[in-house]
Amino acid sequence: EVQLLESGGGLVQPGGSLRLSCAASGFTFDNYAMSWVCQAPGKGLEWVSGISSGGVSTYYADSVKGRFTISRDNSKNMLYLQMNSLRVEDTAVYYCAKVWRPNGSPVHGMDVWGQGTTVTVSS
Amino acid sequence: QSALTQPASVSGSPGQSITISCTGTSSDVGAYNYVSWYQQHPGEVPKLIISDVTDRPSGVSNRFTGSKSGNTASLTISGLQAEDEADYYCSSYTISSSASVIFGGGTKLTVL
Repeated sequence: EVQLLESGGGLVQPGGSLRLSCAASGFTFDNYAMSWVCQAPGKGLEWVSGISSGGVSTYYADSVKGRFTISRDNSKNMLYLQMNSLRVEDTAVYYCAKVWRPNGSPVHGMDVWGQGTTVTVSS
Repeated sequence: QSALTQPASVSGSPGQSITISCTGTSSDVGAYNYVSWYQQHPGEVPKLIISDVTDRPSGVSNRFTGSKSGNTASLTISGLQAEDEADYYCSSYTISSSASVIFGGGTKLTVL
Protein backbone atom coordinates (compact mmCIF):
# COMPACT_ATOMS: atom_id res chain seq x y z
CA GLU A 1 0.00 0.00 0.00
CA VAL A 2 1.32 3.42 -0.95
CA GLN A 3 1.62 5.47 2.21
CA LEU A 4 3.04 8.72 3.54
CA LEU A 5 3.36 9.38 7.26
CA GLU A 6 4.30 12.81 8.57
CA SER A 7 5.73 13.62 11.97
CA GLY A 8 7.47 16.43 13.78
CA GLY A 9 4.70 18.97 14.20
CA GLY A 10 3.99 20.71 17.48
CA LEU A 11 3.71 23.98 19.36
CA VAL A 12 6.56 26.44 18.89
CA GLN A 13 7.08 30.10 19.73
CA PRO A 14 7.45 32.74 17.03
CA GLY A 15 11.03 32.75 15.77
CA GLY A 16 11.48 29.10 16.66
CA SER A 17 12.26 26.07 14.51
CA LEU A 18 10.76 22.70 13.70
CA ARG A 19 11.79 19.83 11.45
CA LEU A 20 9.02 17.89 9.76
CA SER A 21 9.60 14.37 8.49
CA CYS A 22 7.67 12.22 6.05
CA ALA A 23 8.19 8.47 5.79
CA ALA A 24 7.26 6.99 2.43
CA SER A 25 6.41 3.38 1.67
CA GLY A 26 4.82 1.24 -1.02
CA PHE A 27 6.39 2.93 -4.04
CA THR A 28 9.81 3.61 -5.56
CA PHE A 29 10.50 6.79 -3.65
CA ASP A 30 13.45 8.02 -5.70
CA ASN A 31 11.39 7.96 -8.91
CA TYR A 32 9.07 10.75 -7.78
CA ALA A 33 9.24 14.42 -6.95
CA MET A 34 7.66 15.34 -3.62
CA SER A 35 5.99 18.40 -2.12
CA TRP A 36 4.83 19.90 1.14
CA VAL A 37 1.40 21.57 1.20
CA CYS A 38 -0.18 23.31 4.17
CA GLN A 39 -3.71 24.21 5.18
CA ALA A 40 -4.42 26.76 7.89
CA PRO A 41 -7.49 26.11 10.07
CA GLY A 42 -10.63 26.69 8.02
CA LYS A 43 -8.60 27.91 5.03
CA GLY A 44 -7.55 26.65 1.62
CA LEU A 45 -4.55 24.69 0.43
CA GLU A 46 -1.18 26.41 0.07
CA TRP A 47 1.78 24.84 -1.65
CA VAL A 48 4.92 25.28 0.46
CA SER A 49 7.84 23.57 -1.19
CA GLY A 50 8.84 20.85 -3.65
CA ILE A 51 11.88 18.76 -4.49
CA SER A 52 12.90 16.81 -7.56
CA SER A 53 13.13 13.04 -7.51
CA GLY A 54 16.90 13.06 -7.14
CA GLY A 55 16.90 15.90 -4.65
CA VAL A 56 19.02 18.21 -6.78
CA SER A 57 16.35 20.82 -7.51
CA THR A 58 14.26 22.51 -4.83
CA TYR A 59 11.35 24.90 -5.11
CA TYR A 60 9.73 27.26 -2.58
CA ALA A 61 6.73 29.51 -2.20
CA ASP A 62 7.72 33.15 -1.78
CA SER A 63 6.23 33.14 1.72
CA VAL A 64 8.77 30.60 3.00
CA LYS A 65 11.81 31.26 0.83
CA GLY A 66 14.88 31.78 2.98
CA ARG A 67 13.18 30.34 6.08
CA PHE A 68 12.28 26.76 5.10
CA THR A 69 14.50 24.09 3.57
CA ILE A 70 13.23 20.95 1.88
CA SER A 71 15.41 17.86 1.58
CA ARG A 72 15.13 14.13 1.04
CA ASP A 73 17.09 10.99 1.82
CA ASN A 74 16.31 8.48 -0.92
CA SER A 75 18.27 5.75 0.86
CA LYS A 76 15.79 6.00 3.75
CA ASN A 77 12.64 6.91 1.77
CA MET A 78 12.34 10.09 3.82
CA LEU A 79 11.29 13.65 3.03
CA TYR A 80 12.02 16.57 5.35
CA LEU A 81 11.07 20.19 5.87
CA GLN A 82 13.30 22.31 8.08
CA MET A 83 11.27 25.28 9.27
CA ASN A 84 13.15 28.23 10.77
CA SER A 85 12.10 31.73 11.86
CA LEU A 86 8.55 30.51 12.27
CA ARG A 87 5.73 33.03 12.24
CA VAL A 88 2.20 32.93 13.64
CA GLU A 89 0.90 32.78 10.06
CA ASP A 90 2.76 29.50 9.48
CA THR A 91 0.25 27.79 11.76
CA ALA A 92 -1.36 25.01 9.70
CA VAL A 93 -1.60 21.32 9.01
CA TYR A 94 1.35 20.33 6.84
CA TYR A 95 0.89 17.54 4.31
CA CYS A 96 3.55 15.57 2.56
CA ALA A 97 2.49 14.67 -1.00
CA LYS A 98 3.79 12.50 -3.82
CA VAL A 99 3.77 13.85 -7.37
CA TRP A 100 1.71 11.69 -9.69
CA ARG A 101 4.01 11.25 -12.64
CA PRO A 102 7.50 9.72 -12.36
CA ASN A 103 9.09 12.96 -13.53
CA GLY A 104 11.94 14.91 -11.98
CA SER A 105 10.02 18.02 -10.90
CA PRO A 106 6.88 18.77 -8.86
CA VAL A 107 4.89 20.36 -11.70
CA HIS A 108 2.25 17.65 -11.97
CA GLY A 109 -0.61 16.86 -9.63
CA MET A 110 -0.10 15.16 -6.27
CA ASP A 111 -1.81 11.79 -6.02
CA VAL A 112 -0.82 10.51 -2.59
CA TRP A 113 -1.13 12.58 0.58
CA GLY A 114 -0.25 11.88 4.17
CA GLN A 115 -2.66 12.57 7.01
CA GLY A 116 -0.77 15.70 7.94
CA THR A 117 1.07 17.02 10.97
CA THR A 118 -0.06 20.13 12.84
CA VAL A 119 2.26 23.08 13.36
CA THR A 120 1.13 25.74 15.80
CA VAL A 121 3.17 28.92 16.17
CA SER A 122 2.12 30.88 19.21
CA SER A 123 3.58 32.64 22.20
CA GLN B 1 2.69 34.91 -6.01
CA SER B 2 -1.07 35.56 -6.18
CA ALA B 3 -3.47 32.70 -5.78
CA LEU B 4 -5.46 31.52 -8.76
CA THR B 5 -9.03 32.86 -8.82
CA GLN B 6 -11.94 30.47 -8.26
CA PRO B 7 -15.57 31.21 -7.46
CA ALA B 8 -16.23 30.86 -3.74
CA SER B 9 -19.22 28.61 -4.30
CA VAL B 10 -21.23 26.82 -6.95
CA SER B 11 -24.30 24.65 -6.68
CA GLY B 12 -26.32 22.23 -8.74
CA SER B 13 -29.02 19.61 -8.51
CA PRO B 14 -28.42 15.87 -8.75
CA GLY B 15 -27.96 14.81 -12.36
CA GLN B 16 -27.01 18.26 -13.57
CA SER B 17 -23.59 19.43 -14.77
CA ILE B 18 -21.58 22.23 -13.21
CA THR B 19 -18.34 23.96 -14.15
CA ILE B 20 -15.79 25.50 -11.82
CA SER B 21 -13.40 28.05 -13.31
CA CYS B 22 -9.81 28.73 -12.32
CA THR B 23 -8.34 31.96 -13.65
CA GLY B 24 -4.65 32.72 -13.63
CA THR B 25 -2.18 34.55 -15.83
CA SER B 26 0.22 33.97 -18.69
CA SER B 27 2.83 33.07 -16.06
CA ASP B 28 0.90 30.14 -14.66
CA VAL B 29 -2.31 28.65 -16.11
CA GLY B 30 -1.63 30.09 -19.56
CA ALA B 31 2.04 29.16 -19.62
CA TYR B 32 2.01 25.36 -19.40
CA ASN B 33 -0.40 22.43 -19.31
CA TYR B 34 0.30 21.83 -15.63
CA VAL B 35 -3.10 22.52 -14.07
CA SER B 36 -4.44 20.09 -11.47
CA TRP B 37 -7.72 19.79 -9.60
CA TYR B 38 -8.35 18.39 -6.13
CA GLN B 39 -11.46 17.37 -4.23
CA GLN B 40 -11.52 17.68 -0.45
CA HIS B 41 -14.36 16.48 1.75
CA PRO B 42 -14.58 17.93 5.29
CA GLY B 43 -12.01 16.39 7.59
CA GLU B 44 -10.32 14.45 4.79
CA VAL B 45 -7.11 14.89 2.85
CA PRO B 46 -7.26 16.26 -0.70
CA LYS B 47 -7.78 13.85 -3.57
CA LEU B 48 -6.28 14.40 -7.01
CA ILE B 49 -9.00 14.24 -9.66
CA ILE B 50 -7.32 15.93 -12.66
CA SER B 51 -3.65 16.44 -13.52
CA ASP B 52 -2.00 18.19 -16.45
CA VAL B 53 -5.26 19.93 -17.44
CA THR B 54 -7.14 16.86 -18.69
CA ASP B 55 -5.67 13.64 -17.24
CA ARG B 56 -7.63 11.57 -14.74
CA PRO B 57 -5.71 9.27 -12.36
CA SER B 58 -6.85 5.69 -12.22
CA GLY B 59 -10.04 5.26 -10.20
CA VAL B 60 -11.35 8.80 -10.73
CA SER B 61 -14.83 8.90 -12.22
CA ASN B 62 -15.12 9.98 -15.86
CA ARG B 63 -17.81 12.41 -14.70
CA PHE B 64 -14.90 14.74 -13.93
CA THR B 65 -13.45 16.56 -16.96
CA GLY B 66 -10.74 19.20 -17.13
CA SER B 67 -10.07 21.77 -19.84
CA LYS B 68 -8.21 25.01 -20.44
CA SER B 69 -8.55 28.08 -22.63
CA GLY B 70 -5.94 30.78 -22.42
CA ASN B 71 -5.40 31.77 -18.80
CA THR B 72 -8.52 30.00 -17.50
CA ALA B 73 -8.85 26.33 -16.62
CA SER B 74 -12.15 24.62 -15.91
CA LEU B 75 -13.42 21.55 -14.10
CA THR B 76 -16.74 20.13 -15.25
CA ILE B 77 -18.64 17.62 -13.16
CA SER B 78 -21.45 15.89 -15.01
CA GLY B 79 -24.28 13.83 -13.56
CA LEU B 80 -23.93 15.49 -10.15
CA GLN B 81 -24.22 13.18 -7.18
CA ALA B 82 -24.63 13.94 -3.48
CA GLU B 83 -21.12 12.60 -2.81
CA ASP B 84 -19.66 15.30 -5.07
CA GLU B 85 -20.44 17.92 -2.44
CA ALA B 86 -16.98 19.04 -1.34
CA ASP B 87 -14.37 21.75 -1.72
CA TYR B 88 -12.50 21.85 -5.01
CA TYR B 89 -9.08 23.41 -5.56
CA CYS B 90 -7.14 24.08 -8.72
CA SER B 91 -3.38 24.41 -8.84
CA SER B 92 -0.84 25.36 -11.48
CA TYR B 93 2.87 25.44 -12.06
CA THR B 94 4.02 29.06 -12.11
CA ILE B 95 7.08 30.90 -13.34
CA SER B 96 6.04 34.28 -11.96
CA SER B 97 8.75 34.86 -9.36
CA SER B 98 10.43 31.50 -9.21
CA ALA B 99 9.45 28.08 -10.38
CA SER B 100 6.80 26.84 -8.01
CA VAL B 101 3.19 25.82 -7.66
CA ILE B 102 0.18 27.92 -6.65
CA PHE B 103 -3.35 26.97 -5.60
CA GLY B 104 -6.66 28.60 -6.14
CA GLY B 105 -8.67 29.77 -3.16
CA GLY B 106 -11.08 26.86 -3.42
CA THR B 107 -14.72 26.44 -4.44
CA LYS B 108 -17.44 24.98 -2.24
CA LEU B 109 -19.75 22.77 -4.30
CA THR B 110 -23.22 22.30 -2.88
CA VAL B 111 -25.47 19.59 -4.30
CA LEU B 112 -29.03 20.83 -3.78
